[in-house]
Amino acid sequence: RKEVEQDPGPFNVPEGATVAFNCTYSNSASQSFFWYRQDCRKEPKLLMSVYSSGNEDGRFTAQLNRASQYISLLIRDSKLSDSATYLCVVDSNYQLIWGAGTKLIIKP
Amino acid sequence: NAGVTQTPKFQVLKTGQSMTLQCAQDMNHNSMYWYRQDPGMGLRLIYYSASEGTTDKGEVPNGYNVSRLNKREFSLRLESAAPSQTSVYFCASSEAGGPTNEKLFFGSGTQLSVL
Repeated sequence: RKEVEQDPGPFNVPEGATVAFNCTYSNSASQSFFWYRQDCRKEPKLLMSVYSSGNEDGRFTAQLNRASQYISLLIRDSKLSDSATYLCVVDSNYQLIWGAGTKLIIKP
Repeated sequence: NAGVTQTPKFQVLKTGQSMTLQCAQDMNHNSMYWYRQDPGMGLRLIYYSASEGTTDKGEVPNGYNVSRLNKREFSLRLESAAPSQTSVYFCASSEAGGPTNEKLFFGSGTQLSVL
């Protein structure tokens, strides 16, 4: 089993819809969780950190479920510009472990 | 503000050839990293440098060497390239901390093919 797993997608979503995807992790001792965004053939960029109490930034909400060992990302009122691959990142044994990403395609 | 600059953007090598990937950051960051990204896999850390003068192995260091030339520059060298090193390489930097620092700033990547 991979340490960090994501549904690769793609998720095809109409503009304006709400979309959510999860990321599961295997190390119960993990303390730090992040979502990065990567556009096609570009570098990853930090989208948001995930705190125990959840985190909201505009249309984006990230949550942590320690009991089931997953984090989630919710995007409301999706825009065409949200089309990208979303990378889940979790710390484990003093290193960051990256998921392979979930591809999101927003359609007009 | 350039951020993290890495060169070259593309490179094709023959098996056994050597090359150095260059990376420089102008944000006065202490820590720098080299990652590789392969299809269907997450980014994997090759080497990192928590501060000037120090380097440490990451998850996949075999076949690579690094040099932290000064605070700005962190280079990655492939001494004898192998087809398994075909990948996209990203350099990154962060203000402080080690390999679990959250806010990484990435360069635009180097697409390397080893034939």
